[in-house]
Amino acid sequence: DADVTQTPRNRITKTGKRIMLECSQTKGHDRMYWYRQDPGLGLRLIYYSFDVKDINKGEISDGYSVSRQAQAKFSLSLESAIPNQTALYFCATSVIGRGADTGELFFGEGSRLTVL
Amino acid sequence: DAKTTQPNSMESNEEEPVHLPCNHSTISGTDYIHWYRQLPSQGPEYVIHGLTSNVNNRMASLAIAEDRKSSTLILHRATLRDAAVYYCIEDAGNMLTFGGGTRLMVKP
Repeated sequence: DADVTQTPRNRITKTGKRIMLECSQTKGHDRMYWYRQDPGLGLRLIYYSFDVKDINKGEISDGYSVSRQAQAKFSLSLESAIPNQTALYFCATSVIGRGADTGELFFGEGSRLTVL
Repeated sequence: DAKTTQPNSMESNEEEPVHLPCNHSTISGTDYIHWYRQLPSQGPEYVIHGLTSNVNNRMASLAIAEDRKSSTLILHRATLRDAAVYYCIEDAGNMLTFGGGTRLMVKP
């Protein structure tokens, strides 16, 4: 079984619908992240959480919200999906590295979302 | 924002060394340099990271310039499995921001 599990792996939905992408991890890491990847582009950070009580916006948080239900679970919600949110979404986890080092990121397999 | 500059793509022949360059001219003294790669249809995976000294691991070597404004990821013998997008990232300690990366193509 994967250490970082994302559900659903694929989802097609319509404009205006509420969508939740879920991420769970068995690595025992405190830090969790949600990234978005558009075709041919790199990853952009949506939200990150350093522990259950700590949630931070990334570079493209507008239109998204998150919930850190437990150390192992971090969910990403699109309250009212729109077509330009069609993308591949990745969840990742990490430990705190040494000094200023973020530490190695471990990624899930991705959730492909299509908004019609 | 921490920014890096990488070539969009590079080609290599199988079993030859590959040197992937990265410029990070605005890096601060405490920012680490991370490299990740993304194989087709997969999430990114960690390759290597360092601060000032050159680093080696089982996957690759990282050569960091003395002024830290650039670095080079070295794959000693490229294989077809190394075909991927390679990301060079400045780590400011809170989060990693991925740029467009370098698409490495490996020819048999």
